[in-house]
Amino acid sequence: NAGVTQTPKFRILKIGQSMTLQCTQDMNHNYMYWYRQDPGMGLKLIYYSVGAGITDKGEVPNGYNVSRSTTEDFPLRLELAAPSQTSVYFCASSYSSTGVTGELFFGEGSRLTVL
Amino acid sequence: KQEVTQIPAALSVPEGENLVLNCSFTDSAIYNLQWFRQDPGKGLTSLLLIQSSQREQTSGRLNASLDKSSGRSTLYIAASQPGDSATYLCAVRKKTGANNLFFGTGTRLTVIP
Repeated sequence: NAGVTQTPKFRILKIGQSMTLQCTQDMNHNYMYWYRQDPGMGLKLIYYSVGAGITDKGEVPNGYNVSRSTTEDFPLRLELAAPSQTSVYFCASSYSSTGVTGELFFGEGSRLTVL
Repeated sequence: KQEVTQIPAALSVPEGENLVLNCSFTDSAIYNLQWFRQDPGKGLTSLLLIQSSQREQTSGRLNASLDKSSGRSTLYIAASQPGDSATYLCAVRKKTGANNLFFGTGTRLTVIP
């Protein structure tokens, strides 16, 4: 059981470039999330999905896009990268949003620098 | 909006000491509260999940309590070890809204050998 797997672990982008952060989970979880973590700040939700084909915006969605074509995969697309998107990105998943099955599991993170 | 606060931001203790980490939240209408550990440069590892109907949960040397009415949770670590050094975060899941998980900024714990 690999859990939640993110790639790449590190990436440097130039301003205006685009890229996709990959996230896959093998726990058959319905819910998947993308967070960003900036120094001294709590995790901020970018986008989330409650199942294949269903996505919704979180707290800080501007500059990002997501898709959820399968239960396992939830890629995050950065269009026209800006220095403000320099951050550590975490993908997470849970079976549901309540009770014991609402427990969140995280990937190892993707550290992105935009220069 | 739910506000989650963790105080202190950093804590240093000698090895072997018992310690308590604090988490407070403003809206008591929650489904659950989860404690995580984060090592430098790593992802978050789930430690304990307490449902709103529970008062506490235990796992090994860790004990988490929840007082929903006062908006507080504590994480008790017994007989601390240098390997416990990490940042500890709490997160609460509100009952309203699908976008309903709110994180604190964490307490950075250093256990000194």
